[in-house]
Amino acid sequence: EVQLVESGGGLVQPGGSLRLSCAASGFDFSSHRMNWVRQAPGKGLEWVSSITSSSTYIDYADSVKGRFSISRDDPKKSLSLQMNSLRAEDTAVYYCARGRWYDSSEAFDIWGQGTVVTVSS
Amino acid sequence: DIQMTQSPSTLSAFVGDRVTITCRASQSISNWLAWYQQKPGKAPRLLIYTASTLQSGVPSRFSGSRSGTEFTLTITSLQADDFATYYCQQYYSYWTFGQGTKVEIK
Repeated sequence: EVQLVESGGGLVQPGGSLRLSCAASGFDFSSHRMNWVRQAPGKGLEWVSSITSSSTYIDYADSVKGRFSISRDDPKKSLSLQMNSLRAEDTAVYYCARGRWYDSSEAFDIWGQGTVVTVSS
Repeated sequence: DIQMTQSPSTLSAFVGDRVTITCRASQSISNWLAWYQQKPGKAPRLLIYTASTLQSGVPSRFSGSRSGTEFTLTITSLQADDFATYYCQQYYSYWTFGQGTKVEIK
């Protein structure tokens, strides 16, 4: 079964750090772009970061650039998001999502169940 | 940055109704538009990609279309399982989602 399982969420104080993980199974992890998408409470979806196969290209949303760092470990089929200098507005459910080529670009076809990050004092 | 404007934000309908949700891109995105369904407490589910192609396993009552930079998701004969929030997403340049449309029971 194709599956993504996130972990690492929790309560952290403003200015603190947290590391999220996403464990993949059931597919060739190394061949896919992987992404983080977040959803603040009661709000819509926001793309956060993306990393291509072999970590060739990495991108971040402006809202997290310089504070978040995405990485992957292909042999372990694992994706990570290191979040530093956290702010209240980073409070959200964080989803791991697999990229898949459709035509000449990639949408997100498989999503994890999400992990909750709460930034509060 | 490409902005996606989705409407309406909320839609009330009966089971059996035909429902249409619209998404407009701030610039040309070709056909690189996806639609997702999200139920409360659950992850989004990909329904449609390249504007009109149904993802495997998605019922045929869902369809998508494009006219220029305006995209439409149509659900013919709304079922109880379809009450959810729907998001469009452009993947022409990075990824941007619309604000979402909540489909409620009337």
